[in-house]
Amino acid sequence: QSVLTQPPSVSGAPGQRVTISCTGSNSNIGAGYDVHWYQQLPGTAPKLLIYNNNNRPSGVPDRFSGSRSGTSASLAITGLQAEDEADYYCQSYDNNLSGSRVFGGGTKLTVL
Amino acid sequence: QVQLQESGPGLVEPPGTLSLTCTVSGDSISSSYWWNWVRQPPGKGLEWIGEIYHSGDTNYNPSLKSRVTISLDKSKNQFSLRLSSVTAADTAVYYCARRTGSYYINWGRGQGTLVTVSS
Repeated sequence: QSVLTQPPSVSGAPGQRVTISCTGSNSNIGAGYDVHWYQQLPGTAPKLLIYNNNNRPSGVPDRFSGSRSGTSASLAITGLQAEDEADYYCQSYDNNLSGSRVFGGGTKLTVL
Repeated sequence: QVQLQESGPGLVEPPGTLSLTCTVSGDSISSSYWWNWVRQPPGKGLEWIGEIYHSGDTNYNPSLKSRVTISLDKSKNQFSLRLSSVTAADTAVYYCARRTGSYYINWGRGQGTLVTVSS
């Protein structure tokens, strides 16, 4: 059971917009700790997609955006493309768990 | 630019000890970053294992703390993971990563290293 809760799967047609939620609690996201998002293609290491809630590393398309509010965060992907089909993970910090870095359970994005 | 590469046995017998090494190139292990281990059981999500700073300070996942040791070898620019009393539940792909701020930009090259726990 992950400390951060994500939907197991989401889907969308090419060109559409999808969002992936990441729900935490007052000991992690709600305490103001930053949320980061990773994209993982099959057989590869995770790739940083969004850092510090809403910042994109160089090279990440502006179709990807992040937000945080209260005890939750969201990743939005607009103009969905076939290459976006992957697993997505949120990550934060939890002050209830002796300085633990925590990940969400992951969300499988299917492009229909 | 920094590169990390995991190495170690791909098969460990229970209840032995899993040992992995991460070799860092393009940066010094003595720089001001935390060096991390993350794992991913087959078909499952990411789990943070722990981290070490160049001072030797460590933080561990409470669920694994009693079995985990992360150490540094500054002479080889490497950091290592030891996980004792392993069971089949420890079968996973293990990644090393460098933490920048509170996130991970740099991960081990390729697909990490798969460690299977089986007799």
